[in-house]
Amino acid sequence: DTAVSQTPKYLVTQMGNDKSIKCEQNLGHDTMYWYKQDSKKFLKIMFSYNNKELIINETVPNRFSPKSPDKAHLNLHINSLELGDSAVYFCASSQSQVKSDTQYFGPGTRLTVL
Amino acid sequence: QKEVEQNSGPLSVPEGAIASLNCTYSDRGSQSFFWYRQYSGKSPELIMSIYSNGDKEDGRFTAQLNKASQYVSLLIRDSQPSDSATYLCAPWMDSSYKLIFGSGTRLLVRP
Repeated sequence: DTAVSQTPKYLVTQMGNDKSIKCEQNLGHDTMYWYKQDSKKFLKIMFSYNNKELIINETVPNRFSPKSPDKAHLNLHINSLELGDSAVYFCASSQSQVKSDTQYFGPGTRLTVL
Repeated sequence: QKEVEQNSGPLSVPEGAIASLNCTYSDRGSQSFFWYRQYSGKSPELIMSIYSNGDKEDGRFTAQLNKASQYVSLLIRDSQPSDSATYLCAPWMDSSYKLIFGSGTRLLVRP
C-alpha cells in the first residue's frame, strides 16, 4: 500500500502545452506539499496545503496552479510549459503544518519539456 | 549566504569506515532538523530528526546538533555500499512552516 502516490511517473511534452500531475496520500495527514528538484538536485518547496487551504505559495510563476479537492489529494496543473520547467516534481505529506512533522515523499514525476 | 550549506562531495569512504556529513544553516530560529537520504532516481526518505543540542543515536546513525554554532551533522558508522546516496540536511523554519533543504552531500562507500 503506497503511502504517497503520484501520477504520472514520467511526463514528456512539448513547450507551450498544459499538463497536470496528481498526488494522493493514504496516511490521513492534514498537510500536503509540492516540491521541485532541478538538475542540480536542489529540492525546493513550491506550495503547501493544510486541510485543503493554501498555506505556502513560494515565488512560483502563476502558470503553476495547485488544487486540493480534499485533504488526501493535491494536484498540480502547469500551463504553457517552458524548457525551464523540466525537473522532478515531488509531492509530500505530513501530519500537520504547524509542527515540524516528518514529511513523506511520493516517488516523483520526471517532467521533460522539449 | 545560503540558508543551508552542505559540501556537495562526493565524500568517498571505504566500507566499514565512519562517514561524517556536515551542514550549517543561517536561521538562528530553527529548532528542528532533519536528515533525508536520497538514492539516485528515488525520492527522499527520512533518516534522522534532531531537536535538542547534543547527539542522537539510531542504529548506525548519529545526528549531532549545535545550535550556538548553527551546525548539524550526521555520522554513519560501519558504512556499507548500500549507504551510497545523497544526504540532504533540512532545518524546519518555524516562522514560515517549511523545510529548507540543502543541496545535499553525495556519499560513496567503496567495497
